[in-house]
Amino acid sequence: DSGVTQTPKHLITATGQRVTLRCSPRSGDLSVYWYQQSLDQGLQFLIQYYNGEERAKGNILERFSAQQFPDLHSELNLSSLELGDSALYFCASSSPQSPNQFFGPGTRLTVL
Amino acid sequence: EDKVVQSPLSLVVHEGDTVTLNCSYEVTNFRSLLWYKQEKKAPTFLFMLTSSGIEKKSGRLSSILDKKELFSILNITATQTGDSAIYLCAVGGSNYKLTFGKGTLLTVNP
Repeated sequence: DSGVTQTPKHLITATGQRVTLRCSPRSGDLSVYWYQQSLDQGLQFLIQYYNGEERAKGNILERFSAQQFPDLHSELNLSSLELGDSALYFCASSSPQSPNQFFGPGTRLTVL
Repeated sequence: EDKVVQSPLSLVVHEGDTVTLNCSYEVTNFRSLLWYKQEKKAPTFLFMLTSSGIEKKSGRLSSILDKKELFSILNITATQTGDSAIYLCAVGGSNYKLTFGKGTLLTVNP
């Protein structure tokens, strides 16, 4: 158990819908990262937040957005969902002292 | 753009064999290289290598970093079926952002 929690574990929805994935980092970690993992693309970095502010952006679509709240939990919002958005979405957190990221169990999103 | 390339993409060995997994990288402002193991769930941390720590060992696993040639290897000796997993290499640049390779799928047969 890494100490990072993600909800829900599984999500099944239809094309065009909007979903919200939630992540709570390890106690004391200020950085939260979101990744998308699909079979053909591997682990793709989406976005990073540090203490409530966006710090780095990766291959995140405009239909996707994220935020980190004052209590440091983070949410990833996915809208106008397409079949290709089906993937495993991981959240990770790290402390200010180390680049090592601890991963949550992931949310498996299936878009039908 | 930062880039991490792992090879081979997949590998099948027998228990007891020794394997070497490769990771080459191009990154701006290199800070660290990390190895993760991913079984059916989330990636779990194995090693971190930096300029001040270019060789790490833990049990049957060991890793080295060649900062001049921009690559790292992960060695696993006396492999066991429990070593079967995807091994991910990631490189950290500025802002602690990690760029991951696509991974090496290791299958260890009894």
